[in-house]
Amino acid sequence: TQLLEQSPQFLSIQEGENLTVYCNSSSVFSSLQWYRQEPGEGPVLLVTVVTGGEVKKLKRLTFQFGDARKDSSLHITAAQPGDTGLYLCAGGATSGTYKYIFGTGTRLKVLA
Amino acid sequence: DVKVTQSSRYLVKRTGEKVFLECVQDMDHENMFWYRQDPGLGLRLIYFSYDVKMKEKGDIPEGYSVSREKKERFSLILESASTNQTSMYLCASSAPNDGTGYTFGSGTRLTVV
Repeated sequence: TQLLEQSPQFLSIQEGENLTVYCNSSSVFSSLQWYRQEPGEGPVLLVTVVTGGEVKKLKRLTFQFGDARKDSSLHITAAQPGDTGLYLCAGGATSGTYKYIFGTGTRLKVLA
Repeated sequence: DVKVTQSSRYLVKRTGEKVFLECVQDMDHENMFWYRQDPGLGLRLIYFSYDVKMKEKGDIPEGYSVSREKKERFSLILESASTNQTSMYLCASSAPNDGTGYTFGSGTRLTVV
C-alpha cells in the first residue's frame, strides 16, 4: 500500500514567519498535488508538479517535487493569517492515473 | 466558475435510515469520487466512477453504494446508516489522464444519531 506521510502534523506560527511542510513516501509518484482546505469547505487545488526536481511558485508559496519523485515540499514565505488551513498532498501512482493517494495533512495556524 | 455541488452542507439522520448524498459537476468530467474525511484518518476513498454506469470500490466501500446514471451526477447511498458513518463526505471530479487534480465540492457533514 502506498502511503504519503506529511510533517509536521500541526504548526502554529506568528504572522511573518516562514515555514516548510513536507510530504514523503517510499513510492514513486507520476505527479503530486497540493491542496488547501479551510474549515467547513472542500480542499482546493493549489498546484500540480509532474517532473522530478520541478519547482513552482505561487505568490509566497513555493512547491518542489523531489528529484526521485518520492517527496515534495511546500514553503511559505512571510505567512499571513489567510494561509491558515489544512494542507494536503496527493500523489498519482501511475502515469495517467485518475486516482490519487492523499497524505494525512498538515494543519497550519498563522497568528496575527 | 466551474464547480462541484453537493446537495446538502449538513444532514442529521437516524440509525437505520437510508441516506442519499448527491453530487453534481458542471465540468463534463468523466471521473467522480466519494471520500470521507475523519480527524486523524485523512481522506479515505469510498467509491469512484470513471464513466456513466461504471463504478469501482475504493478503500472503504462497506456500508455504502453509489449510482451514476448521468455523467454529471454521482450519488452516494448509505443503505442503513450507522453512527460510525458520522463524518464529512466529500465529492470530487476530475478529467481523465491529464494530472490536473480534483475539483472538490464543499462537503456534507453527516451526523447519524
